[in-house]
Amino acid sequence: DGGITQSPKYLFRKEGQNVTLSCEQNLNHDAMYWYRQDPGQGLRLIYYSQIVNDFQKGDIAEGYSVSREKKESFPLTVTSAQKNPTAFYLCASNTRWSPLHFGNGTRLTVT
Amino acid sequence: GESVGLHLPTLSVQEGDNSIINCAYSNSASDYFIWYKQESGKGPQFIIDIRSNMDKRQGQRVTVLLNKTVKHLSLQIAATQPGDSAVYFCAEVSGGSNYKLTFGKGTLLTVNP
Repeated sequence: DGGITQSPKYLFRKEGQNVTLSCEQNLNHDAMYWYRQDPGQGLRLIYYSQIVNDFQKGDIAEGYSVSREKKESFPLTVTSAQKNPTAFYLCASNTRWSPLHFGNGTRLTVT
Repeated sequence: GESVGLHLPTLSVQEGDNSIINCAYSNSASDYFIWYKQESGKGPQFIIDIRSNMDKRQGQRVTVLLNKTVKHLSLQIAATQPGDSAVYFCAEVSGGSNYKLTFGKGTLLTVNP
């Protein structure tokens, strides 16, 4: 079955550590996205990539970094510069003019 | 700035009833709208979409209505089932780009057996 795989489902880190969240898709989609979801809020765009080796900042990119070396993969690094990293992170992908397909998310807890 | 909001943050219905979830948007340039369903601990799932040149679109047990005059979007679920219990989000796309989705905060739908 085609889809988006995010791993791990739960992630715990100590404050001051960088952490990388994995996102892999086998849908052959060109575009990939990272969103952050906090309780009581809508999804907020962190970064997106419309083609390999290219990506753009979304609305809340500070404290995050990404890479897009392969079409299938779009890992997100949450750096120590991110002031409130504890959240539910969602990866998505699509082809042009089609709805986003989402993974099942990674819940990151930083203490 | 653009915003997408929901009139009701929670909605409780009886199994078998019809459900209506509403969404208001402020950007008249938005040309594509999407409804998503999100179950607890999972990612959002696509339900149905509609383009701005349409007023109504039907799927299996779901109907989306778009009223551009008052910038209002609604999702109707017929014969609501317990499995429909989830948070429902509307999202709008504008500016000719398919990446800039603006999401509302969501409505929690609870179906009582």
